[in-house]
Amino acid sequence: AQKITQTQPGMFVQEKEAVTLDCTYDTSDPSYGLFWYKQPSSGEMIFLIYQGSYDQQNATEGRYSLNFQKARKSANLVISASQLGDSAMYFCAMREGLMKGNNRLAFGKGNQVVVIP
Amino acid sequence: DAGVTQSPTHLIKTRGQQVTLRCSPKSGHDTVSWYQQALGQGPQFIFQYYEEEERQRGNFPDRFSGHQFPNYSSELNVNALLLGDSALYLCASSQGREYSNQPQHFGDGTRLSIL
Repeated sequence: AQKITQTQPGMFVQEKEAVTLDCTYDTSDPSYGLFWYKQPSSGEMIFLIYQGSYDQQNATEGRYSLNFQKARKSANLVISASQLGDSAMYFCAMREGLMKGNNRLAFGKGNQVVVIP
Repeated sequence: DAGVTQSPTHLIKTRGQQVTLRCSPKSGHDTVSWYQQALGQGPQFIFQYYEEEERQRGNFPDRFSGHQFPNYSSELNVNALLLGDSALYLCASSQGREYSNQPQHFGDGTRLSIL
């Protein structure tokens, strides 16, 4: 079963506007972490933001914020004030069993974002 | 502060051959994970090394093996290469297994093409 679902087609975003990338996840573990990574065409995976399952507040990191809705099992990424350099693939990933020392990341298939001037 | 470095950047092999990919973790990191990313897909977890031992393994055949050295660097070996092994291989490092809320840092990857 797919643990991370990212189903949006490729998105075109106007520069300086905000964009929301959807991510839903599936786990029965009460202790998990959710990560968003950016992958430009060069291939490197760049860490953006983290949300723990027990965190009371939504995570924010500069222009990135996470809309965490635990009951719906969704963790949508919001990028504010888009820049041309934001054009990339964006991956949502989950790590289950945080208390058990599990380090394995399960990734979704990604969302393609193209920022246009 | 050097990040995760991988070598080589690109590699072309033929079916049946063997390949070794290398990874040096970010300074201060002692745990190395390997991922396979097929074209248009998200990365898939291969295995993780900590204290020179394989600690976790994904759904990959025994043709995929690895090693971690005392300096925490790591190798990924793939034997009897198949066309389906063509992919971007990503190495990720992190600090310790108990700090599971910390992000893994990735290298630029090795792009392996099988002819």
